[in-house]
Amino acid sequence: EIVMTQTPLSLSVTPGQPASISCKSSQSLLDSDGKTYLYWYLQKPGQSPQLLIYEVSSRFSGVPDRFSGSGSGTDFTLKISRVEAEDVGVYYCMQGIHLWTFGQGTKVEIK
Amino acid sequence: QVQLQESGPGLVKPSQTLSLTCTVSGGSINSGDYYWSWIRQAPGKGLEWIGYIYYRGSTYVNPSLKSRVTISADTSKNQFSLKLTSVTAADTAVYYCARLSHFYFDHWGQGTLVTVSS
Repeated sequence: EIVMTQTPLSLSVTPGQPASISCKSSQSLLDSDGKTYLYWYLQKPGQSPQLLIYEVSSRFSGVPDRFSGSGSGTDFTLKISRVEAEDVGVYYCMQGIHLWTFGQGTKVEIK
Repeated sequence: QVQLQESGPGLVKPSQTLSLTCTVSGGSINSGDYYWSWIRQAPGKGLEWIGYIYYRGSTYVNPSLKSRVTISADTSKNQFSLKLTSVTAADTAVYYCARLSHFYFDHWGQGTLVTVSS
C-alpha cells in the first residue's frame, strides 16, 4: 500500500495570506504513461470531499485560481495564494497510481 | 449533473452485515465511462477506499477488506450496493459512494453514518 504523509496536520491562516500543504508518498506516483497520479481534495465542514487538483497541478472545473499544485515523484505541494474564509476545512492528498489511498488530512482554519 | 445518494440502516449490530445502496441520478451507471466506488471515513479519521464496480459487473475491493466486502449493481434501478460482513465497532464510519473518473473521484454522495453497536 502506498502511504501518503501530509504536513502540517493543522494550519491557522490569516485571511489574505498564503498557505502551503506538503504531501509525500512512499513511492513514486509517476506512471509509465508519463502522468503523475496525485490529487488534492477539500472537505468543508459537514460536506463530502470535493476535488480541487488532479494530476499534480490541473485545477478541476470551477476551482478558483488561488489554488495551485506542484511537485513530482514523491513530493507534492498544494498552495493557496490568498486564503479566504470559504477555504476552511480539511485538505487531503490522494494517490491513484496503485488503488487509492489518502493522506491523513490537514485542517485549515482562519485566524 | 450527476448526483449520488446513499441509503441504508444507520445502526448495525456487531457481527452482522452492513448493507448500503447508492442511487445515481443524472447519469447511467451502465455507460461504461466510469467506475462506481465506495469510500468510508471513520469518526475523526481519514478516508479509506473500499472498492468499485464497473458497469459490466466487474469489481475490485481494497485487499484489506476483500474477505468481507461485496459490491453489486442493479442497472435497472441505476443503483449499486455495498455489503460488509462481520462488522465490528471499527467499521463505524460515514460511508460515501462516489463516481470514479480518470483515476479520481469527481462526484460524491453526501455520505451516510453507519454505527456498529449492540
